[in-house]
Amino acid sequence: DAGITQSPRHKVTETGTPVTLRCHQTENHRYMYWYRQDPGHGLRLIHYSYGVKDTDKGEVSDGYSVSRSKTEDFLLTLESATSSQTSVYFCAIRGLGMNTEAFFGQGTRLTVV
Amino acid sequence: QQPVQSPQAVILREGEDAVINCSSSKALYSVHWYRQKHGEAPVFLMILLKGGEQKGHEKISASFNEKKQQSSLYLTASQLSYSGTYFCGTEGGSNYKLTFGKGTLLTVNP
Repeated sequence: DAGITQSPRHKVTETGTPVTLRCHQTENHRYMYWYRQDPGHGLRLIHYSYGVKDTDKGEVSDGYSVSRSKTEDFLLTLESATSSQTSVYFCAIRGLGMNTEAFFGQGTRLTVV
Repeated sequence: QQPVQSPQAVILREGEDAVINCSSSKALYSVHWYRQKHGEAPVFLMILLKGGEQKGHEKISASFNEKKQQSSLYLTASQLSYSGTYFCGTEGGSNYKLTFGKGTLLTVNP
């Protein structure tokens, strides 16, 4: 199994508070992704990274920011959590080469109350 | 922009075949297929690239029509273990921006 760990696995937070989710990999893969999964919407791309300090927006980036200061860590921050951000968040990693597959972490279930 | 998958859901009996489709309004460079079981992470099935290269599991087959920006995943002689939600992911260029569809829920009954 690919070495990818998400933390925390579960979190309950209050509306208006900042929240940071962490994705850590031991594979030295260049590409890292954050997705959210909601019923009826599938997997939606929030942000992705193509290298240290290199990131780009996905389809649903409003209200989220990311940082990647090291190859192994990709952080997702909800600047001021809202109930609409209650979701399951998946991180994925991918190596160099267009024929490489993505490996997903186990997900973080975030509830904003 | 998310690719469009069809059908949204399909129910099979063990041994039956199914086809899941994926289409995009934009030109595609690659199509990925993943399966997710309830409460688990998505797992890779196959990649199809512009130009014909394919990579994936032996028992899975798929096609990629570059001109129509469409892909299909073929599940033959289905087994109970095939149950899950199938996602197609697409890339419009060599920028590694991987966008997924809403998924197709496949249920295989005995």
